[in-house]
Amino acid sequence: RKEVEQDPGPFNVPEGATVAFNCTYSNSASQSFFWYRQDCRKEPKLLMSVYSSGNEDGRFTAQLNRASQYISLLIRDSKLSDSATYLCVVNLYGNKLVFGAGTILRVKS
Amino acid sequence: EAGVAQSPRYKIIEKRQSVAFWCNPISGHATLYWYQQILGQGPKLLIQFQNNGVVDDSQLPKDRFSAERLKGVDSTLKIQPAKLEDSAVYLCASSQLAGISYEQYFGPGTRLTVT
Repeated sequence: RKEVEQDPGPFNVPEGATVAFNCTYSNSASQSFFWYRQDCRKEPKLLMSVYSSGNEDGRFTAQLNRASQYISLLIRDSKLSDSATYLCVVNLYGNKLVFGAGTILRVKS
Repeated sequence: EAGVAQSPRYKIIEKRQSVAFWCNPISGHATLYWYQQILGQGPKLLIQFQNNGVVDDSQLPKDRFSAERLKGVDSTLKIQPAKLEDSAVYLCASSQLAGISYEQYFGPGTRLTVT
């Protein structure tokens, strides 16, 4: 089992659609969870942290399910500019963050 | 605020040659990371510095890779000799402090092609 596993996609959705990504992680003791966004041939940038109670930032909602060891990212009202790769990031051991391979999102008009 | 700077942006070398990458983190950031990102994969941590000391280098192939951060600011990552499988983007990141809660800011990366 991969340490941090994501569906690679691509997810092809029309503008205005709602899309959700899931990510599973292997260590039940993990404490910190993040979603990073990476545009084509660019560096990753923090999209949002994921808190135990779930959190929302505009059109983006992140949730954590510790019992099942997965986190999710929901994007509502998708925009063309949301097209990117979304990286799930988890601290599996101590202070080391482990990145998933990413989920590709393509939003089409 | 200036971001993380890296150079060169692109490098093409032949296998068995050596190459070096340079990184200048955001001013005041104590922690510096080097990642390797192979096409289609997420970034993989190679080495983490706290000031000028190494915190984690467990995934650094030490027979061919080396890194240093003299004076706790700039850092260089070297590969000698390079192999075909080293073709990847090498990302440098920095954060204010060490710890899993702190956001990492990434530089634009160096795209290495080994032929």
